[in-house]
Amino acid sequence: GAGVSQSPSNKVTEKGKDVELRCDPISGHTALYWYRQSLGQGLEFLIYFQGNSAPDKSGLPSDRFSAERTGGSVSTLTIQRTQQEDSAVYLCASSLRRQGAAEQYFGPGTRLTVT
Amino acid sequence: AQKVTQAQTEISVVEKEDVTLDCVYETRDTTYYLFWYKQPPSGELVFLIRRNSFDEQNEISGRYSWNFQKSTSSFNFTITASQVVDSAVYFCALSEPQYGNKLVFGAGTILRVKS
Repeated sequence: GAGVSQSPSNKVTEKGKDVELRCDPISGHTALYWYRQSLGQGLEFLIYFQGNSAPDKSGLPSDRFSAERTGGSVSTLTIQRTQQEDSAVYLCASSLRRQGAAEQYFGPGTRLTVT
Repeated sequence: AQKVTQAQTEISVVEKEDVTLDCVYETRDTTYYLFWYKQPPSGELVFLIRRNSFDEQNEISGRYSWNFQKSTSSFNFTITASQVVDSAVYFCALSEPQYGNKLVFGAGTILRVKS
């Protein structure tokens, strides 16, 4: 079946602009995660959605970052007033909810460059 | 606190050599999960294995094997008879159910296999 898809694959934006990154999880996966990968910080967790529960936003680096998940499926990560330090690859992952930790399947990522 | 350490930044081997990638983790929980992911040059993270804290049995999958030792908090990964296609960045990760199973990644080990 189809894997996790993300769009756009690349995004170049000017400092101060807002950007939206999209994630389509694997059909039937109830859990959705956002991570970001940068040279200085490695792979770091941003936010987690599980079904209809309130999201875990503990990894969001500032209030410029927000995310939503509509209809328990597609998710959008929004970065407002982008800064150069936001440049990174933003990765989305999804997993099945089951007892214990299910493996997470990752999308190809969106490479964000803030100029 | 959760922490994953991959002390080896980069390893170079010649094809057909065996290679072991080290992973040491820190957690206060008795229930946790350990993972290995592969990130080839194409960039997409590929799931390799999941192990829960109650199962210390070593696992072998083809040329891959994993050695989980709770006594030393280690979850090492061995590739036997390495091949050029094994060249990638390998990440070890930890998750805990009480934190929503978000993944905490190590810094990654770059493996270069030369022909």
